[in-house]
Amino acid sequence: GAGVSQSPSNKVTEKGKDVELRCDPISGHTALYWYRQRLGQGLEFLIYFQGNSAPDKSGLPSDRFSAERTGESVSTLTIQRTQQEDSAVYLCASSPSVGDNYGYTFGSGTRLTVV
Amino acid sequence: GENVEQHPSTLSVQEGDSAVIKCTYSDSASNYFPWYKQELGKGPQLIIDIRSNVGEKKDQRIAVTLNKTAKHFSLHITETQPEDSAVYFCAASGPSSGSARQLTFGSGTQLTVLP
Repeated sequence: GAGVSQSPSNKVTEKGKDVELRCDPISGHTALYWYRQRLGQGLEFLIYFQGNSAPDKSGLPSDRFSAERTGESVSTLTIQRTQQEDSAVYLCASSPSVGDNYGYTFGSGTRLTVV
Repeated sequence: GENVEQHPSTLSVQEGDSAVIKCTYSDSASNYFPWYKQELGKGPQLIIDIRSNVGEKKDQRIAVTLNKTAKHFSLHITETQPEDSAVYFCAASGPSSGSARQLTFGSGTQLTVLP
């Protein structure tokens, strides 16, 4: 597609429920990143995927968070047993190549509200 | 790991004046420094970037300067317009080898251009 697509754009869930967020990167982009942005704050790295290499999960805040990506296509971020502190905008970005440090192209994000 | 500090957190300028946002980074191995603009309800958008082999880069009304010795870089916007109002993020990234692959972001600057 023309840009990075994320769905849903908004999600309200009850505390304790599981949620799944989806990211469609730009076609041909080998690297895909997930970031979390709490209200009024900066971007917090969660995880990134580069081609078929093992993902860098060093930013995941707890074992309730996990992410998958099949090849160089869609990625899903799953949050199990959601807590109120998980409320944030979850941003996905893709880039052509990590090695060249190309700038990211971000999606519009998924706004998650845990009530 | 990398740590990026950004100042100021908020900045108001009169239309037509210049705006300057400053960032410092901690990892001397970082070699790529992009700037992103985030409008309300949207994902961050890359507006300019600089690599460590140059000290300054300009694109129309925006410019970025880099001082590797002091480990700081700045965004300069001249002749500001109301549509420049947004949150601006700086970021830093190291070379692809090793663990420094993802961008580390500053906490953001809310720029308001007053008509």
